[in-house]
Amino acid sequence: QKEVEQNSGPLSVPEGAIASLNCTYSDRGSQSFFWYRQYSGKSPELIMSIYSNGDKEDGRFTAQLNKASQYVSLLIRDSQPSDSATYLCAVTQTGTASKLTFGTGTRLQVTL
Amino acid sequence: NAGVTQTPKFRILKIGQSMTLQCAQDMNHNYMYWYRQDPGMGLKLIYYSVGAGITDKGEVPNGYNVSRSTTEDFPLRLELAAPSQTSVYFCASSYSGLAGGLGSPSEQFFGPGTRLTVL
Repeated sequence: QKEVEQNSGPLSVPEGAIASLNCTYSDRGSQSFFWYRQYSGKSPELIMSIYSNGDKEDGRFTAQLNKASQYVSLLIRDSQPSDSATYLCAVTQTGTASKLTFGTGTRLQVTL
Repeated sequence: NAGVTQTPKFRILKIGQSMTLQCAQDMNHNYMYWYRQDPGMGLKLIYYSVGAGITDKGEVPNGYNVSRSTTEDFPLRLELAAPSQTSVYFCASSYSGLAGGLGSPSEQFFGPGTRLTVL
């Protein structure tokens, strides 16, 4: 069973700080990587996708991918209380273009 | 454009009862998925479909059935409800299996979810 591992948290950061969320995966054939944000009682919302090694920036969010180390991370700069949520890492499964394996998520708390 | 819609939002079932969770999308997506999410856990794939008339099992299909007669609709059927099926169910859709390069899927868009309790 291929796995996606995340620290469950909670990760607590003060407002304005950088939050760093990490994810490791076991499937070496994974080609695509996603970060979803999920507020309590709501559905997951895609916030970042990354397909190649390196960094990808979108506003306050930066996704980082290292396929050799099977590691993907999400940095949130200038963290806001509205960023408090659970962040799910998802990766594609080998041999499929569309099936995802999800991690259990990291709960982020941004404190005032 | 409503995106992905799910009904009902909440439901309580007795053990052994049956029900159908409805899912519809108006984005002309050909891929659709059903997930369940237990408290503190990630999403587990139940069934998915790559187009009308084509469905396949995911990671946790036991106790569920699906059909896909149209591009828009992908209902999930529970035949004999059990307490282990108490969960939040999410439907999702995506345009195709290829985006961002060969072998990369497109992003999945999720519906609001159905919270199911089996007593």
